[in-house]
Amino acid sequence: NAGVTQTPKFRILKIGQSMTLQCTQDMNHNYMYWYRQDPGMGLKLIYYSVGAGITDKGEVPNGYNVSRSTTEDFPLRLELAAPSQTSVYFCATQRVGEKLFFGSGTQLSVL
Amino acid sequence: RKEVEQDPGPFNVPEGATVAFNCTYSNSASQSFFWYRQDCRKEPKLLMSVYSSGNEDGRFTAQLNRASQYISLLIRDSKLSDSATYLCVVNIRTNDYKLSFGAGTTVTVRA
Repeated sequence: NAGVTQTPKFRILKIGQSMTLQCTQDMNHNYMYWYRQDPGMGLKLIYYSVGAGITDKGEVPNGYNVSRSTTEDFPLRLELAAPSQTSVYFCATQRVGEKLFFGSGTQLSVL
Repeated sequence: RKEVEQDPGPFNVPEGATVAFNCTYSNSASQSFFWYRQDCRKEPKLLMSVYSSGNEDGRFTAQLNRASQYISLLIRDSKLSDSATYLCVVNIRTNDYKLSFGAGTTVTVRA
């Protein structure tokens, strides 16, 4: 039982490049989330999903896209990387009304 | 007004001391409350849920004050290992279990 698996752990991108952050869970949780955390700041919600085929924007969705084709996977896509997207990204899952389970995070730098 | 607000601290306390801090939330109908702990930008981990009647877990006590819309965390007999950032987490929309995070309160316990 791996829980929530995020890849990669670290990545350096050049401005304008694209990448996908992967998030996979084996807990059969309906809710999945992507957060970003900038230095000295709290977690800000980028996108979330309440089930396969359903996604919605959070507080800071600009510059990102998501998809949820299966219960297990919730990838986050950066299309045109910008320095403002330098951050730590966390994926999390949740059974409705219960606690969040987090992945170990992805440290992304855009130079 | 922010949906979830915390005193950022830092709270710098000696070993053995008691430290307490609050978190205010904006939606009077919020139903789910948690305290998470985060170390050095690693993934947040659940410290404890917060129940209406208040609850303890060892040296940690959580309280909920619905009338004033805040939750609190008290740490007794502080240990060096309690040094961390404590995140307040609340569902801020009625009938929506999506959780929002405060920016965190930093606690440093010194020898």
